[in-house]
Order: sequence, then structure tokens, then C-alpha cells
Amino acid sequence: GESVGLHLPTLSVQEGDNSIINCAYSNSASDYFIWYKQESGKGPQFIIDIRSNMDKRQGQRVTVLLNKTVKHLSLQIAATQPGDSAVYFCAEFSGGGADGLTFGKGTHLIIQP
Amino acid sequence: GAVVSQHPSWVICKSGTSVKIECRSLDFQATTMFWYRQFPKQSLMLMATSNEGSKATYEQGVEKDKFLINHASLTLSTLTVTSAHPEDSSFYICSASRQGQWETQYFGPGTRLLVL
Repeated sequence: GESVGLHLPTLSVQEGDNSIINCAYSNSASDYFIWYKQESGKGPQFIIDIRSNMDKRQGQRVTVLLNKTVKHLSLQIAATQPGDSAVYFCAEFSGGGADGLTFGKGTHLIIQP
Repeated sequence: GAVVSQHPSWVICKSGTSVKIECRSLDFQATTMFWYRQFPKQSLMLMATSNEGSKATYEQGVEKDKFLINHASLTLSTLTVTSAHPEDSSFYICSASRQGQWETQYFGPGTRLLVL
């Protein structure tokens, strides 16, 4: 979705618990979605992606769900670990050509010991 | 594979000076590179798209004369912030993609710019 100048929302979970991070995207023409993890002072790191012809995709400890009807994307992280603490961004790609990604607002995930 | 580097990783400069940031694809040919800017506690915002050998395409609101982009080779794009001012202080991140694979973008580690 469109990113605006707001501070990042924070999600705090206990180590070992599951976490769900949500994202609303704005462009119904977007056909490819990616979740990135960004640690402080570093560039985004790819976590998992999903195309618009799917509604669920699983990776190692992560699952992405896509609801095109309401333009909503979620990232589920199972059995969270301290290393999962970071800012998580969803991004959408809607171009037919050389277009950049549109990033969502981001969520700061904090894993409590 | 698909490693992208940026140089410098951080830079401090005086107001009014120009700063050049390099983005390199180390192990693949990047026909397209993208430049993003990220202010503290905010998301990444696309600034411009650069294609090798042609002029960059800038997003609305980004001054092309202030943020000069050059993509002279398939492995190097540079972003020059001209006459930098304190409000240009930000985290600049580049990404690179192979020809025809624009949705798959490999991100660099970012460059922290502080203008005094």
C-alpha cells in the first residue's frame, strides 16, 4: 500500500509464540506481493512471496495469506525466535514493466524473552 | 548469487556539498536498478528507476536535477545528491533486477547520509 509519514506500529510477542503481521495494499492491479524483513541499519531481506493467483503460501516457519477481495496480506511467523525481531514490510508489484515496488507502512516486531 | 553492494555504507557531509552513492551488482547483470529513500521509522519510498544506458525515470515529487542517477554499466548505478541539505539526510537503498525480472529485486545494504 501507499506509505505515509507515520511511525511504525509495534507488535510484541513472547518468544515461542506465533505472530501475525497484517498489511493492506491499495492497488487492485497488483499481482505479486513480497514480505521483507529489515533489521536496523540494513537493507530489506526477502522472506516470502505470493502471486495473485494464490491465497496461501508456506515457507519455513512463515506463511503468507492473500485476500484479494479486501486487499489484505498477512505474514504468520510460527514459534518466534529472538532473531525474528525486526521491522517487516509488505511490498506490492503491479507493473507490467520496469517498475519499482510499493512498500507498506511496516510493523516493528519485538520478541520478548 | 544475486549480491548487491553499496558504497559508502555511511557518509557525513556539509550542507551544500554533493555526495555520490554507488550501487553494484556483484555477481549478475542488472539491467534495471531502483533507488529508494527511507526516513527514520518510515517505509521505503521509490525515488527513481534507472535502466542501463538510458535516462532514469523519477517518481513524482523527486527532483531529477537534485538526485542525479547514472547507470552506465550493467553492474553499476550511481546516485548523486547535489547541493545536499539537512532534509536530505536519510537512508538510501538501491535494488537491482535482471532483464525482464523487475519484480525480483535484490536489495543493497543501504547508505546512511547525514548532512550537517
